[in-house]
Amino acid sequence: KQEVTQIPAALSVPEGENLVLNCSFTDSAIYNLQWFRQDPGKGLTSLLLIQSSQREQTSGRLNASLDKSSGRSTLYIAASQPGDSATYLCAVPRGSQGNLIFGKGTKLSVKP
Amino acid sequence: DAGVIQSPRHEVTEMGQEVTLRCKPISGHNSLFWYRQTMMRGLELLIYFNNNVPIDDSGMPEDRFSAKMPNASFSTLKIQPSEPRDSAVYFCASSWDRAKNIQYFGAGTRLSVL
Repeated sequence: KQEVTQIPAALSVPEGENLVLNCSFTDSAIYNLQWFRQDPGKGLTSLLLIQSSQREQTSGRLNASLDKSSGRSTLYIAASQPGDSATYLCAVPRGSQGNLIFGKGTKLSVKP
Repeated sequence: DAGVIQSPRHEVTEMGQEVTLRCKPISGHNSLFWYRQTMMRGLELLIYFNNNVPIDDSGMPEDRFSAKMPNASFSTLKIQPSEPRDSAVYFCASSWDRAKNIQYFGAGTRLSVL
């Protein structure tokens, strides 16, 4: 049974700091891995999707890496800003199906 | 496109009452997902539809929960009778190609059962 874990559950950093969020999964036979952002009272917004054949994906100040063999992914945020404050979730699909298995997220707070 | 639209945004009801949550997916999308989010369990899939047909309802907690998708532009999630432990945020998401997992989420319905 696939399980997705995110550590830490919460993180507080000063503005401008570079940071790394972690995601681990128990079954390495994944098709892809996705990082989402959730703002309070809002739905989820997809940030990055890494296919199983890829090692990383970049979007602006965000960089996500994937190491299937070790069952890990990281989301690197460069030069953090207060607007980055949100909960970040990672998710992997259940087999080849569309339904996703989510981690519980890391709540990030960037202090000005 | 307005995105995935859910209604109501907030629902407060008393134990034993029937609750109906509604979702309008993005036009043209052929897969629709219902998720539930709680502090304890995080975000969990309840059921998903492909081309209006339920594909996997193994996440539906019990017979009190039911979901329908009568057409490509509308879905409902019904809880009857509701219980306090059903209190959570319920999200609907839709996608065009479920194999690519690019799901677009609605803003959610926050349900409180007293």
